[in-house]
Amino acid sequence: EVQLVESGGGLVQPGGSLRLSCAASGFTFSSYDMNWVRQAPGKGLEWVSYISSSGSTIYYADSVKGRLTISRDNVKNSLYLQMNSLRDEDTAVYYCARSVSYYYGMDVWGQGTTVTVSS
Amino acid sequence: DIQMTQSPSSLSASVGDRVTITCRASQSISISLNWYQQKPGKAPKSLIYDTSSLQSGVPSRFSGSGSGTDFTLTISSLQPEDFATYYCQQSFSTPFTFGPGTKVDIK
Repeated sequence: EVQLVESGGGLVQPGGSLRLSCAASGFTFSSYDMNWVRQAPGKGLEWVSYISSSGSTIYYADSVKGRLTISRDNVKNSLYLQMNSLRDEDTAVYYCARSVSYYYGMDVWGQGTTVTVSS
Repeated sequence: DIQMTQSPSSLSASVGDRVTITCRASQSISISLNWYQQKPGKAPKSLIYDTSSLQSGVPSRFSGSGSGTDFTLTISSLQPEDFATYYCQQSFSTPFTFGPGTKVDIK
C-alpha cells in the first residue's frame, strides 16, 4: 500500500525549531518529487516547499524562505522539513505529498502532523 | 505569483444534483490545474490532475475541463460521500497556489 506518514509535530515557542519527518512506503520513493503543504486552523491549503526526486531542485514559498528547509534521504525513504525561527503564523497541520512530476499535482498525501507555535 | 480564485465559495445541493465549481487563474497556466477533495479532519485527496485526468480510483462522476485561465470541476450526480470542500491548485509555476476552496454541503 502506498503510504506517507508524517511525524515530529508538537508545541514550540516562537523563535524555536522543529524537524518534521515523512516516511514513505509502498512505492519507489527516489522516483518521485515531494512537497510539504500546510493548513492553518480553519483555513485553506498553502503550499510550502517542493523537492525533486534527486533533491537537486528545491523551491519554497516566500512566507517560509530562509526559515524552513526541505530535504530528503532516498536511502531511508524519508522527507524532512527543518523548521527554524518559528512564528505564530506557522501554526498549522503539515502534510507531505507526493508528485509524479512538477506539473502533475500531488497524488498521494500523508495524514498530517500538527505544529503549534505559541508561548 | 499566480492567484487562484474559486466560485462559488460554498453551495448547497441535493443528492443526485449536477454540481459545477469554477476555478480561475490570474494568468495562463496551460492545463496545469489540479483538483482536491477534503473532508473535515482529513487529508486532501487528489481527484483530477492536468485539468481533466482522473486519478486512479476516482469515480467517473467527477470530471474536469478548461485551459488557460478558466477551469471547471463537475460532479455529474452528487453522492452522499461527495459533501466536502474542493480546492483547485495550479502546478504551472512555483509558488504552487491553491484556490480558497468551495464547500459543498447538503441542502
